[in-house]
Amino acid sequence: KAGVTQTPRYLIKTRGQQVTLSCSPISGHRSVSWYQQTPGQGLQFLFEYFSETQRNKGNFPGRFSGRQFSNSRSEMNVSTLELGDSALYLCASRQMMNTGELFFGEGSRLTVL
Amino acid sequence: AQTVTQSQPEMSVQEAETVTLSCTYDTSESDYYLFWYKQPPSRQMILVIRQEAYKQQNATENRFSVNFQKAAKSFSLKISDSQLGDAAMYFCAYRTNNAGNMLTFGGGTRLMVKP
Repeated sequence: KAGVTQTPRYLIKTRGQQVTLSCSPISGHRSVSWYQQTPGQGLQFLFEYFSETQRNKGNFPGRFSGRQFSNSRSEMNVSTLELGDSALYLCASRQMMNTGELFFGEGSRLTVL
Repeated sequence: AQTVTQSQPEMSVQEAETVTLSCTYDTSESDYYLFWYKQPPSRQMILVIRQEAYKQQNATENRFSVNFQKAAKSFSLKISDSQLGDAAMYFCAYRTNNAGNMLTFGGGTRLMVKP
């Protein structure tokens, strides 16, 4: 069974641009969540989607948004990029919202110049 | 708000020996889960072990075991017979029972294993 797949793996953007990251969960998994990992702030929860609905949201500005499609694939978008948005963005999936193990992808490394 | 603290930024262990990583947390909840995740240099986070707060028995997974002290809000990870492949960042994490996938992570401990 394929794991959680994130694309792109690496990308470089400039300040003010916007970026879209994609996550394909493990087949059969309906819950997808996103985390931001930085050296300074560590791992922080961004948001979680289940059945195409955002269920939980972390403490991030409105520039960070996401969505989930009917096939459970998810995208997150960051608009008006700032230098501080440089981070590893991790996607994780699970079968249901409150059951089963959480599986992480390898992440998308975003560098903002 | 819940917080998770890992007081050891780096730890080192000799191959085949035992090492203990520390984690403390702060919460007012009574029903929650605690986890240890491993993040090797390849970056993919892997669940090492989990503990339900309502269970008094400490969780064990092969060479990995925890010492869960609920009253002290302490959750340490013991790695026995350390192997070179155990070298990684280890993160302690917490979530309440109905928080979905909303984990609160500690700052991590980098474990180095010396041959």
